Amino acid sequence: DAGVTQSPTHLIKTRGQHVTLRCSPISGHKSVSWYQQVLGQGPQFIFQYYEKEERGRGNFPDRFSARQFPNYSSELNVNALLLGDSALYLCASSLIGGNEQFFGPGTRLTVL
Amino acid sequence: AQSVTQPDIHITVSEGASLELRCNYSYGATPYLFWYVQSPGQGLQLLLKYFSGDTLVQGIKGFEAEFKRSQSSFNLRKPSVHWSDAAEYFCAVDLSSNTGKLIFGQGTTLQVKP
Repeated sequence: DAGVTQSPTHLIKTRGQHVTLRCSPISGHKSVSWYQQVLGQGPQFIFQYYEKEERGRGNFPDRFSARQFPNYSSELNVNALLLGDSALYLCASSLIGGNEQFFGPGTRLTVL
Repeated sequence: AQSVTQPDIHITVSEGASLELRCNYSYGATPYLFWYVQSPGQGLQLLLKYFSGDTLVQGIKGFEAEFKRSQSSFNLRKPSVHWSDAAEYFCAVDLSSNTGKLIFGQGTTLQVKP
C-alpha cells in the first residue's frame, strides 16, 4: 500500500505570495495532521482534521488554513508568505484522531 | 506548559557501540510516547511507541525504549549502532488519544564513526 504522499516536493515562492500544499493519507486513514519543521528544530503542530472537521489547531496565525476533502485528502494554504515560513511541511495520517501517525516525505517550501 | 526535552543536541558514537538518547517530558499525566527517526531530506519514520503496559518497548531496527514514570523519561537505546543509524531522532508526546497533536523535542543528531 502507498504511504502518505505529499505534493509538490519542493516549492519556491516570494514574500507576499500564496501557497497550497497537498496531502493524500494512507488508504483507510481518516485523520490528517499538518506540521511545520523549521531547519534545526522539531516539527510543530499546525492543524489536525478528522472526518473533514478541524479538530485541533496549533499556535499559528490566521494566514494558515487547511481543509479536508471527502476522500480524506487535505490541503494546507498559507497566505501572505513571510521569509519565516520557509520550512519543511509535513503531513501525517492516522486511522483515528491521534495515536500512531504516519508521516509523508514533506514539502520543502522556500520563501525568497 | 507541556514540553519535550532532548538534552543532547548532537551525539557521536562509534559503530558497534551502544547508544542511549535521552527524552524527558513535562506533563502531569502519562502521555502517549513516541520516537521517530528522520534521515536527511526525508519525512519521519516511527521507531516505537508507548501507550500503556510493559514499560520496556521494542521497536524497529533493533531499537528499544524504557518509560520511567518517576523520571518522566522515555529514553531510546540500541545495543550496537550501525553506520546506517546516523540520522536525526525525535521524541514526541501525544497528550490525548484524540488530538492528533504531537509535541516534539528539538531532536538529537546521531553521528556514527567508522
